[in-house]
Amino acid sequence: DVKVTQSSRYLVKRTGEKVFLECVQDMDHENMFWYRQDPGLGLRLIYFSYDVKMKEKGDIPEGYSVSREKKERFSLILESASTNQTSMYLCASSLRLYGYTFGSGTRLTVV
Amino acid sequence: AQSVSQHNHHVILSEAASLELGCNYSYGGTVNLFWYVQYPGQHLQLLLKYFSGDPLVKGIKGFEAEFIKSKFSFNLRKPSVQWSDTAEYFCAVNENAGNMLTFGGGTRLMVKP
Repeated sequence: DVKVTQSSRYLVKRTGEKVFLECVQDMDHENMFWYRQDPGLGLRLIYFSYDVKMKEKGDIPEGYSVSREKKERFSLILESASTNQTSMYLCASSLRLYGYTFGSGTRLTVV
Repeated sequence: AQSVSQHNHHVILSEAASLELGCNYSYGGTVNLFWYVQYPGQHLQLLLKYFSGDPLVKGIKGFEAEFIKSKFSFNLRKPSVQWSDTAEYFCAVNENAGNMLTFGGGTRLMVKP
């Protein structure tokens, strides 16, 4: 089974802090994604990557950046955390069309 | 841009009731369709997917979904729900054999024992 591991389950950060969310997958998947999940809004795509050092903006990239230096690792960076970035963050990986495998999520609270 | 609509945000059913969750999408071209489920405290899991062929797709745990191209719909069904089906259900679509999924807003299902 593919495993997608997100380094933190719960995180509390202060407004203005720089925040790093890490995601690692172990099945050599090409594609990796970062979503945020908010009640009633479903999953909204922040950034995705098709290959190492490659990144594309999703639907809501403002206030975020990403890094993919190695194929297995895709990091989401909140440059200066704000309270409206309090959310559940989900990482996923996929091999072309065969559906996504999701991590367990990181619940981030910005105070 | 592609959009996916799930019209029921909350559904409450008694055990053994039949379930149908609606999903409509906006893209007129070739699509692949998915239903994911998220049980309380767990990560998202794939329930079923449609790529081509028979528009009636069977998934895990007795779920099925029917792709109706003319209605841009991919509704999820289960003839008899169980308490353990309490979860949030997400419809997702990818267009033109791309690698990106667009998700609906989710439907939270509660099954009363």
